[in-house]
Amino acid sequence: EVQLVQSGAEVKKSGESLKISCKGSGYSFTSYWVGWVRQMPGKGLEWMGIIYPGDSDTRYSPSFQGQVTISADTSIATAYLQWSNLRASDTAMYYCARQTTTVGSFDFWGQGTMVTVSS
Amino acid sequence: QSALTQPASVSGSPGQSITISCTGTSSDVGGYNYVSWYQQHPGKAPKLIIYDVTSRPSGVSNRFSGSKSGNTASLTISGLQAEDEADYYCSSYTRIITLVFGGGTKLTVL
Repeated sequence: EVQLVQSGAEVKKSGESLKISCKGSGYSFTSYWVGWVRQMPGKGLEWMGIIYPGDSDTRYSPSFQGQVTISADTSIATAYLQWSNLRASDTAMYYCARQTTTVGSFDFWGQGTMVTVSS
Repeated sequence: QSALTQPASVSGSPGQSITISCTGTSSDVGGYNYVSWYQQHPGKAPKLIIYDVTSRPSGVSNRFSGSKSGNTASLTISGLQAEDEADYYCSSYTRIITLVFGGGTKLTVL
């Protein structure tokens, strides 16, 4: 069974750093792109970026380029999303998702990680 | 890159059919057959219900169907059921930034 299990909720302060995780299981982690999606409270989905763990090829939405870093550790089948300088506006639910063999569709999703940043 | 345009809300009665539109440009929806649709219930992760414009993942009801004409994609839900009440999002591949989502549509089953 394919699963993506994300790390737990985080409460941080502005200016702090954070790294959240997404562990894949039940499939070949190095063979599928893993994307990250932001959902601010009461708002829609926003595509942040994507990584191919097999060779670490990473693409970012221009809206998030330079604001976050996406990485992966194939030895433990885990993808990461990290911030070096959190802002209150980063408060949101963050989802990781596996891209299918076709471009731009995500067939399995993590349960989400809620990040709350206080100023 | 702006989000794809979806109506904020649609509604229908049980048993009826509804259609949700998703309008983009020739750089995204109109340029590629890589439109997907997601269903999201409150407090839950999104669920893929349509990919590649018209394809349904295994296990998704055939009451859900997708289509595309020019720069506009559409999701049709037939035989509306109470459990279909949710938010629906379209997405499209775009050469510029790889992927863009629509703003989302809230479906109310009356």
